[in-house]
Amino acid sequence: DVKVTQSSRYLVKRTGEKVFLECVQDMDHENMFWYRQDPGLGLRLIYFSYDVKMKEKGDIPEGYSVSREKKERFSLILESASTNQTSMYLCASKDRGSYNSPLHFGNGTRLTVT
Amino acid sequence: QKEVEQNSGPLSVPEGAIASLNCTYSDRVSQSFFWYRQYSGKSPELIMSIYSNGDKEDGRFTAQLNKASQYVSLLIRDSQPSDSATYLCAVNGDETSYDKVIFGPGTSLSVIP
Repeated sequence: DVKVTQSSRYLVKRTGEKVFLECVQDMDHENMFWYRQDPGLGLRLIYFSYDVKMKEKGDIPEGYSVSREKKERFSLILESASTNQTSMYLCASKDRGSYNSPLHFGNGTRLTVT
Repeated sequence: QKEVEQNSGPLSVPEGAIASLNCTYSDRVSQSFFWYRQYSGKSPELIMSIYSNGDKEDGRFTAQLNKASQYVSLLIRDSQPSDSATYLCAVNGDETSYDKVIFGPGTSLSVIP
């Protein structure tokens, strides 16, 4: 079974702090994704990565950056957290071998910025 | 920018009825389509995937795809209270960016016992 592990289930940070959300997958998937989920807005893609050190902007990259130094790990960085970044963050991985491959999600990190 | 639209609901159906969930997408060259189920407080889990025009059945679930109309649907037969969840339609795939997966806003389904 694919396992995608997000380092924190709940996180509370202050405005202006630098925040790191970590995600690790154990299935050697090339593709990894960061989404945020807000009521009524569904899952919105922040960034995705298709290889080590490679990244692509999603639909809402502003205020975020990412790092992929190793294939199994994909980090989301909030350079200066703001209250409008309070949300549920979901990491996912996917086999790049076929466009038919589904996403495998982690359990999510609920971030509150005060 | 690719867009995926769904009726937000909530959709309420009585137990045993057929629930019909609909999704439209804007990118004509999208290749593959997925339905995920998400229970409150949980992560999405894959229910069905479909890539070719027509119907695909898996137990009580049937996915229908019409690429000409850019429309994909999910039918749930003999709906059960345990089917109460949010259903997310996801789309990916064109020749240059099939890595990018975009979700609709989700439809909330409530099955009434």
